[in-house]
Amino acid sequence: AQKVTQAQTEISVVEKEDVTLDCVYETRDTTYYLFWYKQPPSGELVFLIRRNSFDEQNEISGRYSWNFQKSTSSFNFTITASQVVDSAVYFCALSDLRSSNTGKLIFGQGTTLQVKP
Amino acid sequence: DARVTQTPRDKVTEMGQEVTMRCQPILGHNTVFWYRQTMMQGLELLAYFRNRAPLDDSGMPKDRFSAEMPDATLATLKIQPSEPRDSAVYFCASAMTETGRETQYFGPGTRLLVL
Repeated sequence: AQKVTQAQTEISVVEKEDVTLDCVYETRDTTYYLFWYKQPPSGELVFLIRRNSFDEQNEISGRYSWNFQKSTSSFNFTITASQVVDSAVYFCALSDLRSSNTGKLIFGQGTTLQVKP
Repeated sequence: DARVTQTPRDKVTEMGQEVTMRCQPILGHNTVFWYRQTMMQGLELLAYFRNRAPLDDSGMPKDRFSAEMPDATLATLKIQPSEPRDSAVYFCASAMTETGRETQYFGPGTRLLVL
């Protein structure tokens, strides 16, 4: 079965703290893609990153970094020196062979991040 | 800066009325998805089209929902008759897909409230 679990429902940090959002996935396929999306208070879903299952290199983009570990089926997202503008709901998603035949992204339930000034 | 556009952004209607939501995918994208987001169910895929042909609408209540792509630049989602339980945010997303795993880009959503 395909599944994405974001165990942290809500996280609250103070500005400038580092924060890690966890994502654990389940799939029986060896080829799959993992995604992170951000949903700010305005409501739109903003694409952040796509990672394929054959590329385990960690990715860094400014204050954002992603740690992909196939051994633990995790794709965690870290924000360094958080800012108030990072406050949003963050979704992790999976697309594997079974879901991609239907075009379906399997989303986690989301983690609400609140960054306080 | 190519984006998916959706209209209307907000819609309030009364139970029993017809609701039509529109989506303009990113130019050149060949796949369009409709999702619904609620607090209880999260993000659910309702239907999707590739090259304007409907490929999967198994997530959609067939008796009242219909989705079409009259042309490559317009996708529509209709609810008739609407019910209070249809209140949700409806997202359209588009992608240029060959393997089915390419990145989906989402529109701003239509916030629907059925009274």
